[in-house]
Amino acid sequence: AQSVAQPEDQVNVAEGNPLTVKCTYSVSGNPYLFWYVQYPNRGLQFLLKYITGDNLVKGSYGFEAEFNKSQTSFHLKKPSALVSDSALYFCAVRDPGDQTGANNLFFGTGTRLTVIP
Amino acid sequence: DSGVTQTPKHLITATGQRVTLRCSPRSGDLSVYWYQQSLDQGLQFLIQYYNGEERAKGNILERFSAQQFPDLHSELNLSSLELGDSALYFCASSVTGGVQETQYFGPGTRLLVL
Repeated sequence: AQSVAQPEDQVNVAEGNPLTVKCTYSVSGNPYLFWYVQYPNRGLQFLLKYITGDNLVKGSYGFEAEFNKSQTSFHLKKPSALVSDSALYFCAVRDPGDQTGANNLFFGTGTRLTVIP
Repeated sequence: DSGVTQTPKHLITATGQRVTLRCSPRSGDLSVYWYQQSLDQGLQFLIQYYNGEERAKGNILERFSAQQFPDLHSELNLSSLELGDSALYFCASSVTGGVQETQYFGPGTRLLVL
């Protein structure tokens, strides 16, 4: 069974500083990993995903994430935070080896990012 | 804008009632997913359809059912509603439902059961 953990409910960062939102996962095989962002009263917006290949994945709005197999992590990063980045961020995992047929995204509990002006 | 549309945006109803949530996938997408987002359970996968057929089932209650129609829109039916069913219900779509594909989410339907 797959699972994903976001150890921080809340992350605060000053505008212009680098930000990191943490995510660790557990799957039986090689994971497919996704990051989504949810703004207030909006749906989830896709940021980036890791399927295979380069461990550093670049996505929308200047975000990137690094897949680390040994640490089973997929942390979301941005070099310089903007106030407009303030939102709820979700990490999700999909296990391509899952034989149950569920074959769906398992989401973490979310991390609320607040960028302070 | 993801291209996935959901109606209604908000729904207020009473316990014991039945409601229908509607979703239209992105143009060209054949697979539709339903998710529930609640404060205590987080984001949970409910059910997936591909080209009219049920493909996968998650934590969907027996009181809930869904279907995908020939024009590929989908409906989620919630019956015998309970207070605990109050949540944000999301629909997502992808091209074929493959494991590598990105799922694109709609804006959600906020259901309040009183």
